[in-house]
Amino acid sequence: EAEVAQSPRYKITEKSQAVAFWCDPISGHATLYWYRQILGQGPELLVQFQDESVVDDSQLPKDRFSAERLKGVDSTLKIQPAELGDSAMYLCASSFNGEGEAFFGQGTRLTVV
Amino acid sequence: DAKTTQPPSMDCAEGRAANLPCNHSTISGNEYVYWYRQIHSQGPQYIIHGLKNNETNEMASLIITEDRKSSTLILPHATLRDTAVYYCIGLQGGSEKLVFGKGTKLTVNP
Repeated sequence: EAEVAQSPRYKITEKSQAVAFWCDPISGHATLYWYRQILGQGPELLVQFQDESVVDDSQLPKDRFSAERLKGVDSTLKIQPAELGDSAMYLCASSFNGEGEAFFGQGTRLTVV
Repeated sequence: DAKTTQPPSMDCAEGRAANLPCNHSTISGNEYVYWYRQIHSQGPQYIIHGLKNNETNEMASLIITEDRKSSTLILPHATLRDTAVYYCIGLQGGSEKLVFGKGTKLTVNP
């Protein structure tokens, strides 16, 4: 069964360092999402791509976060510099064309120390 | 996005039906109701969605009231593996944002 792949699964980084997460969506899925989930809360949408274009990044802290999906396939989310408050699970999801049935990866657990 | 309201937590005995309510009184006529669940330390998983008719699949049933102001997700025979946070989301589709609330934490007890 096709899955959304994310790496790494776990990342520990020191504050002020740069960190990057990678996501490979299900083949053929045009829509890709990055979410952040703080412990005890629901996932918060950071950025949504349609193919290689950003369709929503209103909740992305653009002073330190960036996301790209250059060829409209896999995607990278970067944080620079990382802050203590960035410790969270970062989830990637994809859907065929933006409909509500999205498939999520296992996430990357980030700890900033 | 339609605003949805769910109870923060519920308990259910193993083998019994789990009925998870969701209020979405502001939902518009073309907004679907989607349900996801998130088992601890995993990504959310799509369960089911509907517009106005009741829906059933291998995971659950979805009952939507005639006025579409509320719905109930039914897990007919809950197991311990159904312990998770369940999210109810209103969504028009297309490129609309998939926005999660706080959900309902369902605990299935032996």
